[in-house]
Amino acid sequence: AQSVTQLDSQVPVFEEAPVELRCNYSSSVSVYLFWYVQYPNQGLQLLLKYLSGSTLVESINGFEAEFNKSQTSFHLRKPSVHISDTAEYFCAVSDMNRDDKIIFGKGTRLHILP
Amino acid sequence: ETGVTQSPTHLIKTRGQQVTLRCSSQSGHNTVSWYQQALGQGPQFIFQYYREEENGRGNFPPRFSGLQFPNYSSELNVNALELDDSALYLCASSSFGVPTGELFFGEGSRLTVL
Repeated sequence: AQSVTQLDSQVPVFEEAPVELRCNYSSSVSVYLFWYVQYPNQGLQLLLKYLSGSTLVESINGFEAEFNKSQTSFHLRKPSVHISDTAEYFCAVSDMNRDDKIIFGKGTRLHILP
Repeated sequence: ETGVTQSPTHLIKTRGQQVTLRCSSQSGHNTVSWYQQALGQGPQFIFQYYREEENGRGNFPPRFSGLQFPNYSSELNVNALELDDSALYLCASSSFGVPTGELFFGEGSRLTVL
């Protein structure tokens, strides 16, 4: 069975500063990895995903995440955050060979300070 | 293209009652997954429906049950409600067999059990 650990429940960061949201997973099988974002009063939406190929994946709004198999990590980074990035971020994993469920971490609330 | 819609958006029940939550999947999607998101937690997988049958289930008791209809819409039923069932219930649709793992979420139904 897979599991996801997001060690930081909240991350405060000043506007225009860099940020890293940490995610570690455990699995005995090959996995797909995802970051979902939940803006205030909205549903979850996919931010970026790793399926195969390049271990560095990017979103359209400047976030990136790197799949590190040896460290079983998929940390999310952005070099310069904006107030509009205020949201809760969820790391998620699914079994590459199954198509039934995606397992989510507990989430990290990104709080942008002016 | 219509997105995932859920109803009702909010509801209040008392212990022991039963509740039915509804979900219309995004057009073109044939699979519906249900998640429970308790306050301050990540979404927990309840079950998935494909071709009107349950296709995978998380660690939830049998009093959580579901249906999928020929038009791919779905219902989540919870019997004998308990206080701990208070949560945001999220429905997500996807295309089975397309290994992108991307789920499209509705905005959820917030259930309060008193």
